[in-house]
Amino acid sequence: AQKITQTQPGMFVQEKEAVTLDCTYDTSDPSYGLFWYKQPSSGEMIFLIYQGSYDQQNATEGRYSLNFQKARKSANLVISASQLGDSAMYFCAMREGLGWDSNYQLIWGAGTKLIIKP
Amino acid sequence: DADVTQTPRNRITKTGKRIMLECSQTKGHDRMYWYRQDPGLGLRLIYYSFDVKDINKGEISDGYSVSRQAQAKFSLSLESAIPNQTALYFCATSDQGNTIYFGEGSWLTVV
Repeated sequence: AQKITQTQPGMFVQEKEAVTLDCTYDTSDPSYGLFWYKQPSSGEMIFLIYQGSYDQQNATEGRYSLNFQKARKSANLVISASQLGDSAMYFCAMREGLGWDSNYQLIWGAGTKLIIKP
Repeated sequence: DADVTQTPRNRITKTGKRIMLECSQTKGHDRMYWYRQDPGLGLRLIYYSFDVKDINKGEISDGYSVSRQAQAKFSLSLESAIPNQTALYFCATSDQGNTIYFGEGSWLTVV
């Protein structure tokens, strides 16, 4: 079974609009972490934001926020005021267990290709 | 300069050839990883190392080997490359926090 599901293979969004990228996950471990990464066309993988399963508040980093709905097992990325430079692939990933000693492996979704239109 | 440096960034090699991808980091992290990315897919873990004397297989280690020459250096080898090893390869490092730092990736094509 897919542990990380990103249902949007591609999205087109008008510049300056807000964007929501969907991510649902499946785990029976009560301790886990959720990550979002951005991959521009040049290929590098850029860390955006992290949410731990016990974190009380939704994570925010500048224009990025994570809409964490634990009961729904959903961890959507919200980008406010989109910019042309936001065009990229976006990946959701999960680590089961919170400590790096407990689990080393990130489980990745297939990604969403976001294109910002001027 | 990048904190995690991969060489080469691009390589085309022939089937059956041995190829090594090198990774060095300046972050002082103990933990290093090699991932593979195929088109339309997320990353899959090939090998990981928690320190110089600790090397472990990941999800897709068959056909690959690694060497941790020093805390800062972790290399990936394909002993006899085959076309389905054509992919984008990432080296990454982490401390005990929540962030993995990736290199810029190495595009490998096996013809």
